[in-house]
Amino acid sequence: DQQVKQNSPSLSVQEGRISILNCDYTNSMFDYFLWYKKYPAEGPTFLISISSIKDKNEDGRFTVFLNKSAKHLSLHIVPSQPGDSAVYFCAASAGTGANNLFFGTGTRLTVIP
Amino acid sequence: DVKVTQSSRYLVKRTGEKVFLECVQDMDHENMFWYRQDPGLGLRLIYFSYDVKMKEKGDIPEGYSVSREKKERFSLILESASTNQTSMYLCASKQSNQPQHFGDGTRLSIL
Repeated sequence: DQQVKQNSPSLSVQEGRISILNCDYTNSMFDYFLWYKKYPAEGPTFLISISSIKDKNEDGRFTVFLNKSAKHLSLHIVPSQPGDSAVYFCAASAGTGANNLFFGTGTRLTVIP
Repeated sequence: DVKVTQSSRYLVKRTGEKVFLECVQDMDHENMFWYRQDPGLGLRLIYFSYDVKMKEKGDIPEGYSVSREKKERFSLILESASTNQTSMYLCASKQSNQPQHFGDGTRLSIL
């Protein structure tokens, strides 16, 4: 049973516009959330994280929003660049030190020049 | 920068063979992980290790075993490879409250 869900397998956005990637989770014990980016033939690389004590975390062009009551988080990329084209995975765990990380199925973002 | 190195990028083996996938990290991380990535299923945890000679089952350990004899090295073993173990295998490591760092993966085909 998938505890972390990314319901959009793909997303296309024009360069310079905002990309919004969504993620839902079912386990109310999750309190730490991460986004990873994956290029073809490479491993996932950590992008940004948020703990449940916050509802927003920002790092440059990347912002993650957390809505605990809806068990929903989103990743905003503004402005989107062609180099952002990749597969984005949402992940969640119960605690920042937890070893068991649950991943979504990924969303393939294509930024059109 | 953390480096997680997986010994093979591509591997082709036959059904019934014993297969070893090797992973080495250079940052003295305590925790190491093995995942498989399949289309439509995301990354699923097979096993992890929180110390030398210590291991814990993940979500899909059946058909796999692991070995961690040294802190920097974590091996995934397919005891008797089957075609449903054809997949992308990803190794990761981390230190306590930090995010996991991944290797570039091994694409394993079982014929």
